[in-house]
Amino acid sequence: KNQVEQSPQSLIILEGKNCTLQCNYTVSPFSNLRWYKQDTGRGPVSLTIMTFSENTKSNGRYTATLDADTKQSSLHITASQLSDSASYICVVSDRGSTLGRLYFGRGTQLTVWP
Amino acid sequence: EADIYQTPRYLVIGTGKKITLECSQTMGHDKMYWYQQDPGMELHLIHYSYGVNSTEKGDLSSESTVSRIRTEHFPLTLESARPSHTSQYLCASSEGVGVVKTYEQYFGPGTRLTVT
Repeated sequence: KNQVEQSPQSLIILEGKNCTLQCNYTVSPFSNLRWYKQDTGRGPVSLTIMTFSENTKSNGRYTATLDADTKQSSLHITASQLSDSASYICVVSDRGSTLGRLYFGRGTQLTVWP
Repeated sequence: EADIYQTPRYLVIGTGKKITLECSQTMGHDKMYWYQQDPGMELHLIHYSYGVNSTEKGDLSSESTVSRIRTEHFPLTLESARPSHTSQYLCASSEGVGVVKTYEQYFGPGTRLTVT
């Protein structure tokens, strides 16, 4: 069964600190992995997309890594800001269907305190 | 920010009412999607469209229906709302469907529906 599991479910950190969010998936055949940021009451916004051949990608203070062999990904946030408070969703796409089916994790709820 | 819009943003309505959630995009994307999301849970695909006059049901069974008469417009309709329909509904669009090439999915801000 194709699944995406994220940990931790929630995380509280102080402003300026770093943190790392984890994503494990069983989606096969794998096409790409995405990290989205979803603010409360808003739609998800893409942070990074990585294909099979990419093992790291950065977007400002966000750095995503991908290990396609172990089917794990992480999202590292550097020097956190209050505006980083949001849900971070890991999404994996398969290449076994014409739809390019997306499998969503439940997200990690990050809270940054001043 | 993506050019994809949803109205209304919030809707509180009584049981049995007919409602239509609007979604429009100005990017000329052929592919459009409707997702349902409950608090703390993953997004579930309920409808998608490859283009004009194309609509398909997604993975999560839904009593809603959709139509695609124009490229930019993908409304979702509930003929008779029930409390079990209370949820957040997210519309998305993409330029293509990624099998060889990766396409971004752009999401609207969502409609928070409450059925009393």
